[in-house]
Amino acid sequence: NAGVTQTPKFRILKIGQSMTLQCTQDMNHNYMYWYRQDPGMGLKLIYYSVGAGITDKGEVPNGYNVSRSTTEDFPLRLELAAPSQTSVYFCASWSHKNTGELFFGEGSRLTVL
Amino acid sequence: DAKTTQPNSMESNEEEPVHLPCNHSTISGTDYIHWYRQLPSQGPEYVIHGLTSNVNNRMASLAIAEDRKSSTLILHRATLRDAAVYYCILSGKTSYDKVIFGPGTSLSVIP
Repeated sequence: NAGVTQTPKFRILKIGQSMTLQCTQDMNHNYMYWYRQDPGMGLKLIYYSVGAGITDKGEVPNGYNVSRSTTEDFPLRLELAAPSQTSVYFCASWSHKNTGELFFGEGSRLTVL
Repeated sequence: DAKTTQPNSMESNEEEPVHLPCNHSTISGTDYIHWYRQLPSQGPEYVIHGLTSNVNNRMASLAIAEDRKSSTLILHRATLRDAAVYYCILSGKTSYDKVIFGPGTSLSVIP
């Protein structure tokens, strides 16, 4: 199993551009999460999903959108990129929120100039 | 949302035991306690989790207070590779489906 796969690993954007961070998991997990981590800080929850067709806001959703059309994929869309969105983004999934292991992707480092 | 509080940083000597505390005074009866750690420049990785009883695995032990308002992650013999940020999180009724990470504890291991 590949686990949780994120693409791209690195990206530089100009202010105002848009892009999508891709996240795919092959473990048939229902729960998926997007986090951002600023330098020297902890993880902040952006959006999460409990299954295909269901998404909800986390702690810091402004400036982002998500969709969950399949169990496997949970893309994160950045509209009108701003320097404040410069961060490392992590996608995670788990099969059961109480007893399972939360699997993380390797992260996507985004710089907005 | 479920809240946990941890010390910002701790130090340990190599090959000595480390006890990392976590307070979760608002925990509900059905919330699970999870520990993750993040090595430098990597994504977080699972360490251990439990509900009421103490738990052991190959990486660490989890000691849960009788009233469940606190827990302690125990690394039996710290190695240099254990230098990381350790996060204590809750899942269950209190947090619903969210998984919220606090700032964690940055553990330094001194050779």
